[in-house]
Amino acid sequence: ETGVTQTPRHLVMGMTNKKSLKCEQHLGHNAMYWYKQSAKKPLELMFVYNFKEQTENNSVPSRFSPECPNSSHLFLHLHTLQPEDSALYLCASSQLPSGQGGDVQYFGPGTRLTVT
Amino acid sequence: QKEVEQDPGPLSVPEGAIVSLNCTYSNSAFQYFMWYRQYSRKGPELLMYTYSSGNKEDGRFTAQVDKSSKYISLFIRDSQPSDSATYLCAMEGSGGGADGLTFGKGTHLIIQP
Repeated sequence: ETGVTQTPRHLVMGMTNKKSLKCEQHLGHNAMYWYKQSAKKPLELMFVYNFKEQTENNSVPSRFSPECPNSSHLFLHLHTLQPEDSALYLCASSQLPSGQGGDVQYFGPGTRLTVT
Repeated sequence: QKEVEQDPGPLSVPEGAIVSLNCTYSNSAFQYFMWYRQYSRKGPELLMYTYSSGNKEDGRFTAQVDKSSKYISLFIRDSQPSDSATYLCAMEGSGGGADGLTFGKGTHLIIQP
């Protein structure tokens, strides 16, 4: 595996379900990110981890819970979601920690989430 | 005013045409500028990366940054149907804060064979 991988690629869940999204980066990077991409909107930054430590929580509802056990893996735990949470969830990584300038981010293919 | 403005399109041009994609921004602290290409049902992939003002060329692609006008452009020469995708501009300041990249909404480009 190379680059940034995400599983599952597609997920359909009910509002009472609990599920997790997984991201793995094979680039030796130090920062990882979760983004939400909805139609007609810019990419929305959700969470940032630098060297496994969370440095940004962009006012994300508590029904989204991130976990970063090591610098290569990132999870997004989901529970009691709403239909408006349906979107493409993208994971990214960068060599430089976020905020240092020039931290080019490399993206995974995303998980297409549908909440019914 | 939004930080980064980008016309969502769609922009439809015939194969072989020169394509011009643009973003304007309001934050004068932005120093790093990127263009990402996103195919349908895929994640964004980095296409071009420039620092500060000036031009950068890579094959059929040229990125321009005009910091005085707060305006960046991506030109695609000899456009191909395989260039059909959504193009996202992204930018960042030189340091401080943890907000990372600020993205435009993306321009949907269609190259007609």
